Amino acid sequence: AQSVAQPEDQVNVAEGNPLTVKCTYSVSGNPYLFWYVQYPNRGLQFLLKYITGDNLVKGSYGFEAEFNKSQTSFHLKKPSALVSDSALYFCAVRDGTGGYNKLIFGAGTRLAVHP
Amino acid sequence: DTGVSQNPRHKITKRGQNVTFRCDPISEHNRLYWYRQTLGQGPEFLTYFQNEAQLEKSRLLSDRFSAERPKGSFSTLEIQRTEQGDSAMYLCASSLASGTADGYTFGSGTRLTVV
Repeated sequence: AQSVAQPEDQVNVAEGNPLTVKCTYSVSGNPYLFWYVQYPNRGLQFLLKYITGDNLVKGSYGFEAEFNKSQTSFHLKKPSALVSDSALYFCAVRDGTGGYNKLIFGAGTRLAVHP
Repeated sequence: DTGVSQNPRHKITKRGQNVTFRCDPISEHNRLYWYRQTLGQGPEFLTYFQNEAQLEKSRLLSDRFSAERPKGSFSTLEIQRTEQGDSAMYLCASSLASGTADGYTFGSGTRLTVV
């Protein structure tokens, strides 16, 4: 079965510093990978996706993610963190088992950006 | 309408009562998904519609749960004889059916509390 793992429950970073939120995946076949962000009492918002092509994917709000096939990773990055980036971040993988596509989410990583 | 709408936003019910939630997807999206999110966890897949056809149901969806999408537009999720373990955020998402996995658009969710 397809799965993703987010090894860190929480990431703390100072405003202005670079941030990385980690994600590793386990899939059969080519991976379709996604990052979503969730603010308190809100639904998930799409940030970016990797389907094919360049290993560095650029998304919303200055976020980017690096696909690494040899390490089966898809880490989310931002060069300079903002306090407003504080939220819950979810990595997800497409699961096409049974012929129907759905997204399987990791447990999430809480990002705290301190002034 | 530019987003996915879910009603109600919050629902408090007594154990044993039935509850029904509604989701209105983006009008041109023919795929609709229901997920459940408990505290500290990522969203867990419940079920999926393409137009009015319910194509997949998770094993998480017990006999007490039923979902419909009668005309391929809005969807309802009903929980019968609610239990305290049903307390969670219920998320609806929609997407276009396409050859590649598009990102979903999520609603803000319905938070269910069973007392």
